[in-house]
Amino acid sequence: DAGVIQSPRHEVTEMGQEVTLRCKPISGHDYLFWYRQTMMRGLELLIYFNNNVPIDDSGMPEDRFSAKMPNASFSTLKIQPSEPRDSAVYFCASSLDQTGVETQYFGPGTRLLVL
Amino acid sequence: ILNVEQSPQSLHVQEGDSTNFTCSFPSSNFYALHWYRWETAKSPEALFVMTLNGDEKKKGRISATLNTKEGYSYLYIKGSQPEDSATYLCAFSGSARQLTFGSGTQLTVLP
Repeated sequence: DAGVIQSPRHEVTEMGQEVTLRCKPISGHDYLFWYRQTMMRGLELLIYFNNNVPIDDSGMPEDRFSAKMPNASFSTLKIQPSEPRDSAVYFCASSLDQTGVETQYFGPGTRLLVL
Repeated sequence: ILNVEQSPQSLHVQEGDSTNFTCSFPSSNFYALHWYRWETAKSPEALFVMTLNGDEKKKGRISATLNTKEGYSYLYIKGSQPEDSATYLCAFSGSARQLTFGSGTQLTVLP
């Protein structure tokens, strides 16, 4: 398996533009997680899905952020409109289950810079 | 908000030195403690998951211990090598089964 795939790897955009980040989880994994990594807050959970259904989106910072998972092999995280404070590394991760001991497998991340 | 703290924030050691760092987490509602290794420009990779008080895990020169009663875990690296340079993240799993990550310890091993 190729692991968790994310695209793009880098994104530079201007304030006010729409940004869409994409993720393909590992095949067979029922859980998908979106995280954001910043210097100030570390790695924080934004939202996670179970079998394509959003379970907990309490970490989504604002209404400007939205996430979808139309099928088991694809998810998007959208920011509209983007702001400079959204600059961060966004990780997608997937796991077989969420028992608490299950390993989460991370993608390479998308480095977002909003000017 | 769960408080998962790691110390030190960063660490520089010489090649061959042994080193250790700490992860502190809530001692109540504990379910599991994960350690991840994150190299620059790569994905965080799982090292260990520990569930029982007194657990010890080992992978090569890296080992970890767990004390759930007092809420801490140590990660040890014996004979550090430049390729050990990375950020080491711990993640706490409680009753909600979600992972709450610490801010990491950034290790640099100087040749």
